[in-house]
Amino acid sequence: EDQVTQSPEALRLQEGESSSLNCSYTVSGLRGLFWYRQDPGKGPEFLFTLYSAGEEKEKERLKATLTKKESFLHITAPKPEDSATYLCAVHVNTGNQFYFGTGTSLTVIP
Amino acid sequence: DAMVIQNPRYQVTQFGKPVTLSCSQTLNHNVMYWYQQKSSQAPKLLFHYYDKDFNNEADTPDNFQSRRPNTSFCFLDIRSPGLGDAAMYLCATSRNPGHNEQFFGPGTRLTVL
Repeated sequence: EDQVTQSPEALRLQEGESSSLNCSYTVSGLRGLFWYRQDPGKGPEFLFTLYSAGEEKEKERLKATLTKKESFLHITAPKPEDSATYLCAVHVNTGNQFYFGTGTSLTVIP
Repeated sequence: DAMVIQNPRYQVTQFGKPVTLSCSQTLNHNVMYWYQQKSSQAPKLLFHYYDKDFNNEADTPDNFQSRRPNTSFCFLDIRSPGLGDAAMYLCATSRNPGHNEQFFGPGTRLTVL
């Protein structure tokens, strides 16, 4: 059965304290892995798409990487405005399905 | 600015009373999606349209229906809302199928009394 797991569920960082969020997946065939950011009471906002192992994408303080089993979202020197829930999602071959992980709630303390 | 608009932002309905949620887009995207997101949970895809081609997720209850009369508009109909259907309903669009970069609306929060 296809599965997507994000860890940790919640993360508190001091401003400037770099860290990584994990998205591990067990799927029959990965067509794409996506990272989104969601602020409270709002719809998710697209960050990155990754298609193949070894691929990396960067945007400001965020960098996403992909292996055959997991993806990491690295946050370098975070700021309070980076506080949000970060969701990963996968598009899989089986039934052409698409689903989100449960997310990591990030809080960056000034 | 091009965007995804959802109306209303908040909807209250009674148990069993049909309700329709609306989504419109100015992005001229081919694909429109409907998601259900319950508190502290991940968004769950209900169905999507690629142009006029309707794609229902296997576990979406029959109580949920959708219409897409034209490129710009998509509706979510809940025929007989139950208490368990209270959630945020998110509409999203993407230029092409394959669940590529999706643009989300702000959502409609549905309360069922």
